[in-house]
Amino acid sequence: GAVVSQHPSWVICKSGTSVKIECRSLDFQATTMFWYRQFPKQSLMLMATSNEGSKATYEQGVEKDKFLINHASLTLSTLTVTSAHPEDSSFYICSANKAGGAFTDTQYFGPGTRLTVL
Amino acid sequence: DAKTTQPTSMDCAEGRAANLPCNHSTISGNEYVYWYRQIHSQGPQYIIHGLKNNETNEMASLIITEDRKSSTLILPHATLRDTAVYYCIVRYSGNEKLTFGTGTRLTIIP
Repeated sequence: GAVVSQHPSWVICKSGTSVKIECRSLDFQATTMFWYRQFPKQSLMLMATSNEGSKATYEQGVEKDKFLINHASLTLSTLTVTSAHPEDSSFYICSANKAGGAFTDTQYFGPGTRLTVL
Repeated sequence: DAKTTQPTSMDCAEGRAANLPCNHSTISGNEYVYWYRQIHSQGPQYIIHGLKNNETNEMASLIITEDRKSSTLILPHATLRDTAVYYCIVRYSGNEKLTFGTGTRLTIIP
């Protein structure tokens, strides 16, 4: 199997506070994990690529100082939304890359975390 | 990554085969075709992927045309739980990114 978990599944916080979201690959090791954001009725947008033991690579327009990513082990990546504001309210989804043979890596996704900032 | 074109929405009767098309006319030789689906308020679920040969697993079959410019995902016996948005994504073998388009919203009708 290839299971990815996220915690928490939902969180409500006050404006100005920070929120940490964890992403874990439960039955495989992932050197690369990804963080996506999805607004209502829109598709997933990649925020950043997280590589174990190195700095994350952020997509254009994503503030690296606001969305802190740490990938300290082969099974865990965290996303911290710092000084959250209502416009950061969204569905955050992580994925983990499971290596396959002959370059057929497959990404498996977590169940998502719904963040609501009041 | 090559762009894909999918119908915005489709309906299928429960118990029938659901055939979801995808056009990827600019696909290059080392790009794979991946299919994911997203049920409302959940993370995407991997379904199947292929390079040029047809593929089948416990969830679905993937038919890729000989020129590789289009493909069809087949859910052999659709159930109500198959209602979801289905994404067809083309990805370089060495490029780990997945770029999601708008997908096809498949509704299974009882």
